[in-house]
Amino acid sequence: QVQLMQSGAEVKKPGASVTVSCKASGYTFTSFDINWVRQAPGQGLEWVGWMNPNSGKTISAQHFQGRLTMTRNTSINTAYLDLSSLKSDDTAVYFCTRGTPPRVHWGLGTLVTVSS
Amino acid sequence: DIQMTQSPSSLSASVGDRVTITCRASQSVYNYLAWYQQKPGKVPLLLIYAASTLQSGVPSRFSATGSGTDFTLTISSLQPEDVATYYCQKYNSAPRTFGQGTKVDI
Repeated sequence: QVQLMQSGAEVKKPGASVTVSCKASGYTFTSFDINWVRQAPGQGLEWVGWMNPNSGKTISAQHFQGRLTMTRNTSINTAYLDLSSLKSDDTAVYFCTRGTPPRVHWGLGTLVTVSS
Repeated sequence: DIQMTQSPSSLSASVGDRVTITCRASQSVYNYLAWYQQKPGKVPLLLIYAASTLQSGVPSRFSATGSGTDFTLTISSLQPEDVATYYCQKYNSAPRTFGQGTKVDI
């Protein structure tokens, strides 16, 4: 079955960087796009970015202004989200998702806490 | 970028009530519109895709209509287990923007 296994929770200081990984299994990794979605505590869902795992092409939400990098390693079926210059309002659960409705699957999320 | 606006932001209804949530896109998203249900601490669950198609396994009391810019999610008879926050999302192209959510209480 399709699984998206995300890395564990992170605590970072303001200005630092964080990497969240998303290891896919149960399907051909390069056949479905990966989206990242985040949810700040008590807030709604925010689309973060999109990646084509086959080509490596990415599109990021505008307001990240170059702080966001999405990459992948096709040999280990893993997608990565790198967020730099962290701010307190980057504190959120970061979800990776696969594909497009109806064939969409969600990882369980990775909590990233930014605190001094 | 296309903006997605949901209303209301929250509502309270009684068991058995008919509940309607609307989602408006600032430009046409054709029928590339999904509805999700999210309960506290849980991953969002896909309810509806292609604006009006019920995802497999979702109770038939959920239904949706719309195309272009105006969409509606309806719960025909609200049940206690439907207490959750509901989100619309466009997925025709990036950015795959979400609405701000509608919290449904009993």
